[in-house]
Amino acid sequence: NAGVTQTPKFQVLKTGQSMTLQCAQDMNHNSMYWYRQDPGMGLRLIYYSASEGTTDKGEVPNGYNVSRLNKREFSLRLESAAPSQTSVYFCATPGREPHTTYNEQFFGPGTRLTVL
Amino acid sequence: GIQVEQSPPDLILQEGANSTLRCNFSDSVNNLQWFHQNPWGQLINLFYIPSGTKQNGRLSATTVATERYSLLYISSSQTTDSGVYFCAVPIYNQGGKLIFGQGTELSVKP
Repeated sequence: NAGVTQTPKFQVLKTGQSMTLQCAQDMNHNSMYWYRQDPGMGLRLIYYSASEGTTDKGEVPNGYNVSRLNKREFSLRLESAAPSQTSVYFCATPGREPHTTYNEQFFGPGTRLTVL
Repeated sequence: GIQVEQSPPDLILQEGANSTLRCNFSDSVNNLQWFHQNPWGQLINLFYIPSGTKQNGRLSATTVATERYSLLYISSSQTTDSGVYFCAVPIYNQGGKLIFGQGTELSVKP
């Protein structure tokens, strides 16, 4: 029972390179979220998925794409990385009651991304 | 949209001291969470507390939803309490996304 897992933990990219951040959850919830955290700030939502097959933009979606592969997995893709995307990326999902959207959210360990 | 404000922004304590962190929010909320982000960046769930008071060891939290604030109490602080404490509230019309405060950075000195 791992909760929320993310890969990779660290990544360094050059401007213009692409990469995909992976997230998987075993909490059996329909909703999943991608947030980014910049220095000295709280987290901001990039994209979310309310259920398998649906995705919606959050506060800061520009430069990102997402895929909800199945109920467990939600990936975040940077097609052409920019230095402004240097950040720590967190995936999250609510807890163990799939019929309620607004219950406690749990976060993965994060991916620390640097774009040179 | 809803605003979440935390105070103080920074706090330095001697080991063993007590502290109170505050979270104000500008609109009514369905629930509220407190997190501790440790020095390694991990976000640890502390409390899920839409109203009332909860306690977990040396930590406790109180949310007064009608007055739109929540308090996190840390008693007998330890160096391992160091890190950033965030409160966050969900937004109904965006899939329950969390709106985070700016955080309180706590440093506990031995």
